[in-house]
Amino acid sequence: DAGVTQSPTHLIKTRGQQVTLRCSPKSGHDTVSWYQQALGQGPQFIFQYYEEEERQRGNFPDRFSGHQFPNYSSELNVNALLLGDSALYLCASSSSNQGNTQYFGPGTRLTVL
Amino acid sequence: AQSVTQLDSQVPVFEEAPVELRCNYSSSVSVYLFWYVQYPNQGLQLLLKYLSGSTLVESINGFEAEFNKSQTSFHLRKPSVHISDTAEYFCAVSSSGGYNKLIFGAGTRLAVHP
Repeated sequence: DAGVTQSPTHLIKTRGQQVTLRCSPKSGHDTVSWYQQALGQGPQFIFQYYEEEERQRGNFPDRFSGHQFPNYSSELNVNALLLGDSALYLCASSSSNQGNTQYFGPGTRLTVL
Repeated sequence: AQSVTQLDSQVPVFEEAPVELRCNYSSSVSVYLFWYVQYPNQGLQLLLKYLSGSTLVESINGFEAEFNKSQTSFHLRKPSVHISDTAEYFCAVSSSGGYNKLIFGAGTRLAVHP
């Protein structure tokens, strides 16, 4: 049973560019959450998707957007990249009817130059 | 609003010694509590969780944590650590009702020395 998978593993972009990160949830999970982890800090909640809709959002600007597909996979898009967007982006999945436990993927390391 | 405070940013310890990583939380509603572990250049792995029931929860690799509602704490303990336990440990909280976004502490770096 595959766990949460994310792609790509690493990504280098320049300021002003746009980036798309991808996440496939654990089998049987229908909810996907995204987190940003800056170096030396704890993860910060970006948003959560359920039934293809964003149902909860953290304190991130509109440059951060997402999408969930019918197969429950998800994308995180970041526009107009800033140097401060450099971080590890973590995807977590959970099941809406099996408790609130979130399981994390390996993350995508984004570097903005 | 909820918040999590991990009282120690770094904890050095010798192999086979006991360790406690401290976590306090603040919340106006009932909570679920979690400990995650992060090894270098990896994602987060769930170590253990408190959802309900017994306030003492255990992991398969010897860690345990106790939910103390009166002290709003969820400290992580292990009676004897191994070199392989060296990692970053994160305490997290979510509301027990509604959506399950996680609020994390800043993390505690556990360094086990031979």
